[in-house]
Amino acid sequence: SQQGEEDPQALSIQEGENATMNCSYKTSINNLQWYRQNSGRGLVHLILIRSNEREKHSGRLRVTLDTSKKSSSLLITASRAADTASYFCATAHTGANSKLTFGKGITLSVRP
Amino acid sequence: DTAVSQTPKYLVTQMGNDKSIKCEQNLGHDTMYWYKQDSKKFLKIMFSYNNKELIINETVPNRFSPKSPDKAHLNLHINSLELGDSAVYFCASSQGLQIYGYTFGSGTRLTVV
Repeated sequence: SQQGEEDPQALSIQEGENATMNCSYKTSINNLQWYRQNSGRGLVHLILIRSNEREKHSGRLRVTLDTSKKSSSLLITASRAADTASYFCATAHTGANSKLTFGKGITLSVRP
Repeated sequence: DTAVSQTPKYLVTQMGNDKSIKCEQNLGHDTMYWYKQDSKKFLKIMFSYNNKELIINETVPNRFSPKSPDKAHLNLHINSLELGDSAVYFCASSQGLQIYGYTFGSGTRLTVV
């Protein structure tokens, strides 16, 4: 399966702390993306990192990609209660004809 | 203005019925998708259309039939609904066949009773 796998499956932290989520995948990718899903809502695109990039920042988000280990991490700094959501990594694989393959998601709870 | 809109948001129906879900995007994207999210939040692609042409058709029962009348619309018709079809169905769109970020609709929660 090309499916990415995130870990941990669930993460609970205090507001103000940093949250780190990891994603691993199995086959070569064109890019890797992270999405957020609030309860009962659609997914929102957060950040995209290409296979030739190693790190990317967007506001309080930092994404790293290690293609040799086939893994990525998403760091949310100075977390807020509003960051409580499910986070998914999605991979665009070489030759996969434009589809994204999603992992099972990580449930992040940020306690006020 | 909602970028990707799906209707209805909720759909409760009996087994054996036929139902449709509509999706429209106003982003000018030329690629649209249907994803199914099960009760464990696992997202699986079902179909993808690029400029009204079907380009991805995953292993989906042929009771599911997508239709794209133009590149801004992608509808999903489901025949003979089964209990296992209960899920949240998401429409999404993106620009081009190269992979950029997807814009998702807010989902249609289908419950088959």
